Amino acid sequence: GESVGLHLPTLSVQEGDNSIINCAYSNSASDYFIWYKQESGKGPQFIIDIRSNMDKRQGQRVTVLLNKTVKHLSLQIAATQPGDSAVYFCAETYRNTDKLIFGTGTRLQVFP
Amino acid sequence: SQTIHQWPATLVQPVGSPLSLECTVEGTSNPNLYWYRQAAGRGLQLLFYSVGIGQISSEVPQNLSASRPQDRQFILSSKKLLLSDSGFYLCAWSNPHTGANEKLFFGSGTQLSVL
Repeated sequence: GESVGLHLPTLSVQEGDNSIINCAYSNSASDYFIWYKQESGKGPQFIIDIRSNMDKRQGQRVTVLLNKTVKHLSLQIAATQPGDSAVYFCAETYRNTDKLIFGTGTRLQVFP
Repeated sequence: SQTIHQWPATLVQPVGSPLSLECTVEGTSNPNLYWYRQAAGRGLQLLFYSVGIGQISSEVPQNLSASRPQDRQFILSSKKLLLSDSGFYLCAWSNPHTGANEKLFFGSGTQLSVL
C-alpha cells in the first residue's frame, strides 16, 4: 500500500548549520506534498508545500526539493536556529483527495 | 482570518468512562474537518473526516465516533474509553473552496490519558 516514511528519526545539528530532513514516498501517483513542523505539545504547523509539477520551492530559510524519479522529498533549513527544534513531518496526497498521508516524523535537535 | 479551537488541552479519564472532545472553526464556511490521533513519538493517524454537516467518514475501526452537528463544529466521542485510546488528539480543517483542500490547519491538540 501507499506509505510515506522518513530516513532519519533524529537529526542533530549545530546552530547556524544547514539541516536536511529526508522523506521517501511509495505512491508514484502522489501529486502534492507538505512539510509540517510540530513543537512539543502543539499541533503541526504548515511550513511549505510543493506540487508534483515542480522540483524545488523556496520559502523563508526553507527549501523543499522533490525528486519524482526516486520518490524522494527533502526539507532544507538554512542557518538552523534553536527555535527550529521540533519534529518535522512530510505528508502526501494524490488525485485531489481530501486526505493527507503523514510520515512518521523526524526530530530535529539544534545544539548551541 | 480563520482560527480553529480545540478543547480541553489535557484530559485524564478512567477506563470505561465516556469522552467528548470538541473542535470549532471560525472565519470560514463549509470546511472539511478532520480528527487525527498521535501516539507518543509517532506520526498522525487519520480517524475521521467530514465534508459537511452529518457526513462522517471513518478511516479505521475503533472505539471512537465522530459527529458534525453544525457546519463548523466537529466532536469526537466514546461511550467507554479503553486504555489504548490514550494519545494526542488533533482536530484539523481544510478549505475545499480554494483548490488547495489538501492543506490542513491543525488545532492545538488534546492530550488524553486513560487510566
